[in-house]
This record gives sequence, structure tokens and C-alpha cells, in this order.
Amino acid sequence: DIQLTQSPSSVSASVGDRVTITCRASQGISSWLGWYQQKPGKAPNLLIYAASSLQSGVPSRFSGSGSGTDFTLTISSLQPEDSATYYCQQANSFPITFGQGTRLEIK
Amino acid sequence: QVQLQESGPGLAKPSQTLSLTCTVSGGSISSSGYYWSWFRQHPGKGLEWIGYIYYSDITYYNPSLKSRVAISVDRSKNQFSLKLSSVTAADTAVYHCARARLLNDHYYIDYWGQGTLVTVSS
Repeated sequence: DIQLTQSPSSVSASVGDRVTITCRASQGISSWLGWYQQKPGKAPNLLIYAASSLQSGVPSRFSGSGSGTDFTLTISSLQPEDSATYYCQQANSFPITFGQGTRLEIK
Repeated sequence: QVQLQESGPGLAKPSQTLSLTCTVSGGSISSSGYYWSWFRQHPGKGLEWIGYIYYSDITYYNPSLKSRVAISVDRSKNQFSLKLSSVTAADTAVYHCARARLLNDHYYIDYWGQGTLVTVSS
């Protein structure tokens, strides 16, 4: 199975800050990576697919980049509603796997 | 807007079979191109893919659970179901149903149910 390692495991930032979360794959996965946002007690929500494609309806302050084994999710100007846990997901091969999550807190 | 809602017992006894149903609204489960999927999330942990049933009734399961899992569909009720046999405490988790599709020819989840907690305990 492909292992995904996210860093940091948690981050605290202020409204308006630029925040970056990274995801590293145990083997190359081309650009087949997605990012999800999950708020407490809620279902995950797809933000980014194919490493850098913004899902319909997702604010443009979210962006993704990377290929091969190293990927990043960037929030360009943090908003209060961005407080959540973020997960990466590899779509290169089955079984589909996820990172362990990054908890983002607003200061 | 597609919505998914899980239902089923919140408690299962060790060695028994866990059974959950997902009701889909706002779209037909028979529509082509969708993978009706199950995931779980252990308390405080990340997400684990369990498996899917494709609109053509093809199933595919996580090898780590394959011997214990069955996913089926009831088109008359617009529902799909999960059965996980021989459960242990390690199967205690929040179970999510979801709809996945191919984006750029690869599998991503575009709609999720909110999840239901299943506790395995005697």
C-alpha cells in the first residue's frame, strides 16, 4: 500500500496568514493526489484533485501543487471558516489511502 | 445536490456481523460512472477505504478487509449496504458512505455521508 505522511500534524495561524501543508508519498504517484477538508462532526469535502485542480465551488484561496512524491496544499489568506482537519488522498492505485491529517487552528 | 445518509445499529457484538445501509437522495444509484463506496475512521485517526460497488455491480474491496466485507446495492430503494463479518474491537469506528467518481481518470470522492459511529463491544 502507498503510505502518505502529512506535516505538520497540527498548525495554528492567524486570519490572513498564508498556510502550507505538505503530503509525502512512499512512492511516486504522478499527480494523482487529492485534498479534503473535514470539520468536526461533518463529512470530508473535496478541495483539490489531480494535485492542483480546484473542485467546483471551492474558494480560490485554496491551491495545490506537486508531483511524484511531494505535494502541498496552500491557503493563501486564512479565513475563520478554514479551521478544520485536512487530509491528502492518493488516487494512483488501490487500495486508496489517506494521510493521517493536519489539524488547522485559527489563533 | 446529492445527499447520502448512513443508518444501522450503533453497537455490534464481537464475532458478529456489522450491517449498515446508505440511502442516496438527489440522484440515482443506477447512474453510470459512480463508485458507491464505504470508508471508516477510527477514533482520532485518519480515513480508511473499505471498498466500492460500481454502478454495474462490480465490487472491489480493500485487501486488508476483503475476506470479511460485502457491499451490495438495492436499486429499488436507492440504497447500498455494507456487511462486515467477524468484527472485533478494532472495527470500532465512524463509518462513512460516499460517492466517488473518476476525475482525470482517477478515483476521488465528491459526496460523503456524515458518518455513523459503530462500537464493537459485548
